[in-house]
Amino acid sequence: GQQVMQIPQYQHVQEGEDFTTYCNSSTTLSNIQWYKQRPGGHPVFLIQLVKSGEVKKQKRLTFQFGEAKKNSSLHITATQTTDVGTYFCAGPGTASKLTFGTGTRLQVTL
Amino acid sequence: NAGVTQTPKFQVLKTGQSMTLQCAQDMNHEYMSWYRQDPGMGLRLIHYSVGAGITDQGEVPNGYNVSRSTTEDFPLRLLSAAPSQTSVYFCASSYLAGAGTGELFFGEGSRLTVL
Repeated sequence: GQQVMQIPQYQHVQEGEDFTTYCNSSTTLSNIQWYKQRPGGHPVFLIQLVKSGEVKKQKRLTFQFGEAKKNSSLHITATQTTDVGTYFCAGPGTASKLTFGTGTRLQVTL
Repeated sequence: NAGVTQTPKFQVLKTGQSMTLQCAQDMNHEYMSWYRQDPGMGLRLIHYSVGAGITDQGEVPNGYNVSRSTTEDFPLRLLSAAPSQTSVYFCASSYLAGAGTGELFFGEGSRLTVL
């Protein structure tokens, strides 16, 4: 079945440093979604990318969808302590199933 | 604005007991789903529904049952709890029947421990 992998599993940065997480799917995706989960919380939708090569920005967050629509990335510029959490990508599989990646846990310290 | 409501938030069961996790949404969403989250394994789909009266299996359905008698409610039943079912369970809904075509709205989660 479809597999969605994310790297790294964990990253610890100093506040102000940049952060990137990468998402790779075993199959071509019609679109990809990104979610953020704060510690002890529930996943919250960030964005959806649909087009090949698409780039979208939300303040300090930049999302990219690969040309082959099998990979994606999330880049955070100048991290802040409010960015702490786990970031998940998710892609639609067969028959209305949304498969989540394994997630990247981001820790930010002062 | 209740969104997706899950109950209970915490539950401790003994092996072999049964229970139902409740999920209700007030957004008139067609699509509802249940995920379990375990450390290092992300979110895994248990069951999902694209509308009232329609349910289907996800990635890890064994040991769980669901039904969808109304648009609003999507309960998850554990028939005979096992320690391997210790996890955090999330219910999520979407306004579109096709997963991945609309954002998922998650409940706050139900933390289940099976002794």
